[in-house]
Amino acid sequence: AQRVTQPEKLLSVFKGAPVELKCNYSYSGSPELFWYVQYSRQRLQLLLRHISRESIKGFTADLNKGETSFHLKKPFAQEEDSAMYYCALSGEGYQKVTFGTGTKLQVIP
Amino acid sequence: DTGVSQDPRHKITKRGQNVTFRCDPISEHNRLYWYRQTLGQGPEFLTYFQNEAQLEKSRLLSDRFSAERPKGSFSTLEIQRTEQGDSAMYLCASSSYRRDYEKLFFGSGTQLSVL
Repeated sequence: AQRVTQPEKLLSVFKGAPVELKCNYSYSGSPELFWYVQYSRQRLQLLLRHISRESIKGFTADLNKGETSFHLKKPFAQEEDSAMYYCALSGEGYQKVTFGTGTKLQVIP
Repeated sequence: DTGVSQDPRHKITKRGQNVTFRCDPISEHNRLYWYRQTLGQGPEFLTYFQNEAQLEKSRLLSDRFSAERPKGSFSTLEIQRTEQGDSAMYLCASSSYRRDYEKLFFGSGTQLSVL
């Protein structure tokens, strides 16, 4: 079974402060991990994935297999980062994508 | 608009009625997913297709729910004998199996309200 846990429902930070959105997963094999984002009145969309090792809009995420975590980080929060963030996992062999419950990021001006 | 489209956007029905939703994926995408989302929760997996084959259906899903993708293009999700607990946003997403299969493109969803 594959499971994704996001312990925080809401994270409020001031503009310019660092951001860390937590994600832990449960999967017996080697998963693919992703972060999806939903801005107000927009569709859910892919933000980044661990295999790409990319930085999107200043966000990065490192897969830590020992801690089974995939936390999303940004050094300096911007107001436009306010959104719902969902951590997601896909199992080996092109399996389905499973989502966490989401964290609402609120950046205070 | 060449994105994923869902119809209808909103559906209000009485308990016990049957409802059917439609999803049109991006044309070259061969994977199609259905998710359900309630307030404060993330998208909950319901089922997914690769072309016309239904690869998996959530074990949590009641037998009242059925999905089809007869020609590997559009898909329908039917809920029979609706219950108030079925009230939710039903999301459809598609992806390309051959490249970036995990990059899901979502529709705007169908909001179901069961009275």
